[in-house]
Amino acid sequence: AQSVTQPDIHITVSEGASLELRCNYSYGATPYLFWYVQSPGQGLQLLLKYFSGDTLVQGIKGFEAEFKRSQSSFNLRKPSVHWSDAAEYFCAVGGSGGSNYKLTFGKGTLLTVNP
Amino acid sequence: KAGVTQTPRYLIKTRGQQVTLSCSPISGHRSVSWYQQTPGQGLQFLFEYFSETQRNKGNFPGRFSGRQFSNSRSEMNVSTLELGDSALYLCASSLYGGTKYEQYFGPGTRLTVT
Repeated sequence: AQSVTQPDIHITVSEGASLELRCNYSYGATPYLFWYVQSPGQGLQLLLKYFSGDTLVQGIKGFEAEFKRSQSSFNLRKPSVHWSDAAEYFCAVGGSGGSNYKLTFGKGTLLTVNP
Repeated sequence: KAGVTQTPRYLIKTRGQQVTLSCSPISGHRSVSWYQQTPGQGLQFLFEYFSETQRNKGNFPGRFSGRQFSNSRSEMNVSTLELGDSALYLCASSLYGGTKYEQYFGPGTRLTVT
């Protein structure tokens, strides 16, 4: 069974500081990995995804993530956080098998940005 | 292009009642998935429909059901509501379904069961 762990429930950073959100996954084959962001009262917006190839993927809003198979990790990073980045972030794994249609999400990391 | 729309946005129901939620996918998208989001359990997959057929179902009781129409619009129904069904219900659409195709999420329907 596939699963995702986001070890940090809540992270607080200062505006302009760097950010790293952790994500560990469990999946028996090649995973498809995603990061989503959810602002209050909103649905989920896709930040970036990894299917194969280059293990460092770039996303929207200046975010990037690195896939490390040996560590089963897919951590999200941003070099300089803006106040508008305050939101909840979800890591998700999807199967690469043809019959796998669902995403399995982590419990999320709430990001607070201090001015 | 219009995004995924969900109606209603907010709903209050009484325990024992039933409820129907609606989702209109992005034009041209043929797959619709439903997720339940609660503070305790997080985001959990309910089911996925493609061309009016349910292809995958999550681990929810039979009180949760859904369907998809020929225009790809989807509805989900919860019968005999329980307090624990209070949640944000999110709908996501994609071109063909499957996790390789980007899923676009709607704003959700906030269901409160009293």
